[in-house]
Amino acid sequence: DQQVKQNSPSLSVQEGRISILNCDYTNSMFDYFLWYKKYPAEGPTFLISISSIKDKNEDGRFTVFLNKSAKHLSLHIVPSQPGDSAVYFCAASYSNSGGYQKVTFGTGTKLQVIP
Amino acid sequence: DVKVTQSSRYLVKRTGEKVFLECVQDMDHENMFWYRQDPGLGLRLIYFSYDVKMKEKGDIPEGYSVSREKKERFSLILESASTNQTSMYLCASSLARSQYFGPGTRLTVT
Repeated sequence: DQQVKQNSPSLSVQEGRISILNCDYTNSMFDYFLWYKKYPAEGPTFLISISSIKDKNEDGRFTVFLNKSAKHLSLHIVPSQPGDSAVYFCAASYSNSGGYQKVTFGTGTKLQVIP
Repeated sequence: DVKVTQSSRYLVKRTGEKVFLECVQDMDHENMFWYRQDPGLGLRLIYFSYDVKMKEKGDIPEGYSVSREKKERFSLILESASTNQTSMYLCASSLARSQYFGPGTRLTVT
C-alpha cells in the first residue's frame, strides 16, 4: 500500500524553465510534508518542507504547494539549473499513537535539466 | 554541519553471512533511522530508534535487527544475509521533522 506516490519516474526540463514535480498521498493523518534531493552516490538532503496548516512555502528558487483537499503537493523549481539534476523524493509524516514521527517516502522522480 | 557517517560505502557478502552496518551521527540527535532504497520502490523504513536501547519496527523489518547502545551509534544487522537484501542502505538522524542522511552503503549479497 503506497501511501505516498510520485507517479512520474522521470522528468526532463530545459535550463531556465520551470520544473514541476508532483506527489500524491492517501493518508489524511499526514500533517507535514518534505522534499529531499538525492545525487548519485550520496544520501538524500533536505530541500524544503510545508506544514498542513499552510498551502505554500517558498525558499529561493524552490516553492512547495500543498492542496489538502486533493491530497496533492508539488515542488516548483524556477528557474531550473543543470545542478538541479537529481532524484527528488517526496515525504510525508505524522505523529503516531506513541508520539513518534512516522515518515513515509515516495518512490522518487529523476529530474534532468538540459543545458 | 550535521554529519552522519556509515562504516562502508560498498560491501560484498555471501549468502548466509552475518552483516553489520554501522552508522554514527555527531549532532546528539535523539532519532535515528535505517532505510533501504531500491529502484522503483523509493526509501523504505526498516527500523528506527528514538532513544538509546529503544527500537521500533518500520515497514520492512523482516530479516533485520538493530542495536543502539550509544546515542550516536545505530547499527543494522542482517542475521543471515540473502540475495534479496542486496540494496542501498541509508542511515539518517533527526532532531525535528527533517532528517539528515549518511552517504549510504551499497550492499551486494552473492
